[in-house]
Amino acid sequence: AQSVAQPEDQVNVAEGNPLTVKCTYSVSGNPYLFWYVQYPNRGLQFLLKYITGDNLVKGSYGFEAEFNKSQTSFHLKKPSALVSDSALYFCAVRDDYKLSFGAGTTVTVRA
Amino acid sequence: EPEVTQTPSHQVTQMGQEVILRCVPISNHLYFYWYRQILGQKVEFLVSFYNNEISEKSEIFDDQFSVERPDGSNFTLKIRSTKLEDSAMYFCASSERVSSYEQYFGPGTRLTVT
Repeated sequence: AQSVAQPEDQVNVAEGNPLTVKCTYSVSGNPYLFWYVQYPNRGLQFLLKYITGDNLVKGSYGFEAEFNKSQTSFHLKKPSALVSDSALYFCAVRDDYKLSFGAGTTVTVRA
Repeated sequence: EPEVTQTPSHQVTQMGQEVILRCVPISNHLYFYWYRQILGQKVEFLVSFYNNEISEKSEIFDDQFSVERPDGSNFTLKIRSTKLEDSAMYFCASSERVSSYEQYFGPGTRLTVT
């Protein structure tokens, strides 16, 4: 089965600083990887995906993610974090028809 | 921008009662899914649905669960006899086609079983 892991429960950064949320994957075959964000009392919002092609993918709200095959990683990044980026972030991998999610990382951006 | 909608936002029910959670997927989407998130835990897949039949289901999706697309717009999840451990946030999702890969999620229904 395909799976992802998010090694950090929490990430704290100051506004304006770079933000990185880590994700590693374990798959057989080519990985189809995703990042979602969940704000309080809201559903999961799609941020970006990697299917094939460039290792650096750009998504919504200024986020990007880098696919690294040798390190089996798909870290989410934002060059300059905003307080409004504070949320719960999930990495996911496609496994047949379904998405398998990581445990989530809570990001807190302090002013 | 089209969105997946879910009703109700919060459902409280007694153990042993039947509940139906409702979803309206994005209108041109063909694949539908249910996931759940028990408080403090990861999002778990329950079932996927395409062309009026289940395409995949997890071990969680036992005989107490069923899904239906009763008309051209709604997609429902029924739990026949709720247990305390069914208390969770239930998310509906849809995708345009299987090759579009990303799924779009609704805001969720919080189910509380007492």
